[in-house]
Amino acid sequence: AQKITQTQPGMFVQEKEAVTLDCTYDTSDQSYGLFWYKQPSSGEMIFLIYQGSYDEQNATEGRYSLNFQKARKSANLVISASQLGDSAMYFCASNTGGFKTIFGAGTRLFVKA
Amino acid sequence: IAGITQAPTSQILAAGRRMTLRCTQDMRHNAMYWYRQDLGLGLRLIHYSNTAGTTGKGEVPDGYSVSRANTDDFPLTLASAVPSQTSVYFCASSEGLAGGYEQFFGPGTRLTVL
Repeated sequence: AQKITQTQPGMFVQEKEAVTLDCTYDTSDQSYGLFWYKQPSSGEMIFLIYQGSYDEQNATEGRYSLNFQKARKSANLVISASQLGDSAMYFCASNTGGFKTIFGAGTRLFVKA
Repeated sequence: IAGITQAPTSQILAAGRRMTLRCTQDMRHNAMYWYRQDLGLGLRLIHYSNTAGTTGKGEVPDGYSVSRANTDDFPLTLASAVPSQTSVYFCASSEGLAGGYEQFFGPGTRLTVL
């Protein structure tokens, strides 16, 4: 069965610094997708970035990059040059090609001015 | 309408009452989903639909039912609400069910069952 583990319930980062949010996944499937979503205090879920299991390059989307280490089954989110608006809950998720996307418990990020 | 809309925004419900949460998307996505979000547990899939006329059970389907009469609408019904169904409910959609498709989420419905 799929499982997503986010070991950091809360993280603090200074504005303009980079921060890494950890995510490990557990699946026996060879083909899968990994996602990160952001949930601000307003409550909506916002898609940030996607990495396919066969993608050789780490995914990047603007200030977001996904540090994909397949052998270690980790898919850490790196946010560069943190901004106050990055303060939010962040969820890692995985999908093995069917309907079921599994979400982690989330990491709450606080950006300090 | 742009994206996904959910109604109501919030609701307080007496235990034992029937309740339908509404979800409508205007993106013509094939796949739609219902999740519940509880503190410390992330999002858990309740039911899904990969196309109009078909639905399936997710991780926590008990006490909930869905229908998909057309592409745009995907209502979630609680036949007889219980306090453990107090949660925030999110409807989502994606172009397909395969792993590469991002999901687009509605704003959520906060449901309290007393």
